[in-house]
Amino acid sequence: DIQMTQSPSSLSASVGDRVTITCQASHDIVSYLDWYQQKPGKAPKVLIYDASNLDTGVPSRFSGSGSGTDFTFTISSLQPEDIGTYYCQQYNNVPITFGQGTRLEIK
Amino acid sequence: EVQLVESGGGLVQPGGSLRLSCAASGFAVGANYMKWVRQPPGKGLEWVSIIYSGGATYYADSVKGRFTISRDNSKNTLYLQMNSLRAEDTAVYFCTRSTNGAGRDRYWGQGTLVTVSS
Repeated sequence: DIQMTQSPSSLSASVGDRVTITCQASHDIVSYLDWYQQKPGKAPKVLIYDASNLDTGVPSRFSGSGSGTDFTFTISSLQPEDIGTYYCQQYNNVPITFGQGTRLEIK
Repeated sequence: EVQLVESGGGLVQPGGSLRLSCAASGFAVGANYMKWVRQPPGKGLEWVSIIYSGGATYYADSVKGRFTISRDNSKNTLYLQMNSLRAEDTAVYFCTRSTNGAGRDRYWGQGTLVTVSS
């Protein structure tokens, strides 16, 4: 099974800050990685697919990069509405696996 | 408009069974990769099962042999039959439609809560 190690587990930043979250896969997953945002009581929403592609309608302050085993998710300028929990998901192999999540708060 | 609506959750005793349904509209369930993903209260996301458009099915080790994913194309509905339920199966269960192979889950249901408790 492919393990996804996501860090940090929580993050507090100020409006306007650049925020970075990382995911490391235990094996090569090429670029088969998505990033999701989840707000309390809601279903997750895909922001980035195939590691670096911005999903339709997602603001351009969100971006993703990486391939192989190391991946990065970035918010270039944090906005108040970005609070929530962020997850990476690999789908190169079954079982599909998620990172542990990063809870993002506004300082 | 694409919509996914789960139903069938509730309270069940350990060892019991439950069948979740996910009624889809705006697309054909049988032509897509469909997943079940769960989230225990206060915890992270956990993939449960997937059915490919071609019909192949896969399961997380934690549910293999106990859960069965299926679909009824005539009803455009996805199912998850859950048997031998355990306390650790307590979670909100989401159905999703993947739009890029097994990834890019653009569409999610609202979730249905399954509570396994005596």
